[in-house]
Amino acid sequence: GENVEQHPSTLSVQEGDSAVIKCTYSDSASNYFPWYKQELGKRPQLIIDIRSNVGEKKDQRIAVTLNKTAKHFSLHITETQPEDSAVYFCAAKRDNYGQNFVFGPGTRLSVLP
Amino acid sequence: NAGVTQTPKFQVLKTGQSMTLQCAQDMNHNSMYWYRQDPGMGLRLIYYSASEGTTDKGEVPNGYNVSRLNKREFSLRLESAAPSQTSVYFCASRGRSGEQYFGPGTRLTVT
Repeated sequence: GENVEQHPSTLSVQEGDSAVIKCTYSDSASNYFPWYKQELGKRPQLIIDIRSNVGEKKDQRIAVTLNKTAKHFSLHITETQPEDSAVYFCAAKRDNYGQNFVFGPGTRLSVLP
Repeated sequence: NAGVTQTPKFQVLKTGQSMTLQCAQDMNHNSMYWYRQDPGMGLRLIYYSASEGTTDKGEVPNGYNVSRLNKREFSLRLESAAPSQTSVYFCASRGRSGEQYFGPGTRLTVT
């Protein structure tokens, strides 16, 4: 089955700097990769996702890159702000094959003012 | 449009007690999920339902049962609660494009 690893487990950056979180997956057939942000005491919320037919996707200050050959994908946050502080989870899934999403263990991002 | 709702928000049980966590979605999604979230372990799938009338085990189903009552509702039952089931439980539903929408969560403590 699929296994998703996520690094680092904690990340502290200064406000305005960039943050990068990396996930690796084991199932080469996985083709859908979402990222979720979870603020303290709140539910996970989808912030960006990418499918395996593209290598990069951007949404304002957030971008995700995918390297299918190396089986890893990364979340990039530029110009970080204090409100970006949260736990970020990556996940992997094979579209149209079962229903299981496999999540990484999460990265706690702290943006220091 | 409330999205995904869950009840209760908090619950304290004694070992051996039973309870049912309720989940409902108003987005007409076919697929629904129950996860548990423990510190440092991300989200682990307990059970899911690909469509009304079907349910399947996830990664950690032991000690739980589920019912897909209709397209909107998917409940999770603990028959005999154990301290190891202390966790935060999230229900989710899945849209056509693949994205999951989560409910607000239920914080369960078993003493």
